[in-house]
Amino acid sequence: ELKVEQNPLFLSMQEGKNYTIYCNYSTTSDRLYWYRQDPGKSLESLFVLLSNGAVKQEGRLMASLDTKARLSTLHITAAVHDLSATYFCAVDPLPGGGSNYKLTFGKGTLLTVNP
Amino acid sequence: DGGITQSPKYLFRKEGQNVTLSCEQNLNHDAMYWYRQDPGQGLRLIYYSQIVNDFQKGDIAEGYSVSREKKESFPLTVTSAQKNPTAFYLCASSILSDTEAFFGQGTRLTVV
Repeated sequence: ELKVEQNPLFLSMQEGKNYTIYCNYSTTSDRLYWYRQDPGKSLESLFVLLSNGAVKQEGRLMASLDTKARLSTLHITAAVHDLSATYFCAVDPLPGGGSNYKLTFGKGTLLTVNP
Repeated sequence: DGGITQSPKYLFRKEGQNVTLSCEQNLNHDAMYWYRQDPGQGLRLIYYSQIVNDFQKGDIAEGYSVSREKKESFPLTVTSAQKNPTAFYLCASSILSDTEAFFGQGTRLTVV
């Protein structure tokens, strides 16, 4: 059974600071996704990481994937209040996608950025 | 505009009732999913379907049923056998060859 662990689960940070959210998973996979969820809202796709060493950046967020370490990171640079949300990573449990299309999600990281 | 539409946004159920949550997509995606979200639990997969007239149980299928009679539609029925149905339900879809999932706006179900 695939396990996806995010840490920290709660993160309170000041505007202007940098921080990293970690996503570890327990089996081989080369597909990892990051989503954002605002309170009471649905999930918005942020990044799709499809190979070892993949790095993607959008604004103050940068995501990377190390399939050998089974680790993805979401780095926040110079945080602003608008980044306050819950961030989820999700892993495709089969190498290369396979035929069993279902994602396994981490529990999410609740990020609060304080002025 | 292409997207995934869930209805209703809020739903109240009495004890012992069955209720059906609607999910429609016009993205021409083959795969569709239902997830349940509880506070602090992340998302848990209830059912998924890769093709019309076929679906598979996810991790927490007990007390739920689905159908996939059309490619565009994947309704979820929460039956009276589901003892703790109060949760936020999210429907998603993806192209069969790419598991990036796109989500609907969700239905918040409350038992009264």
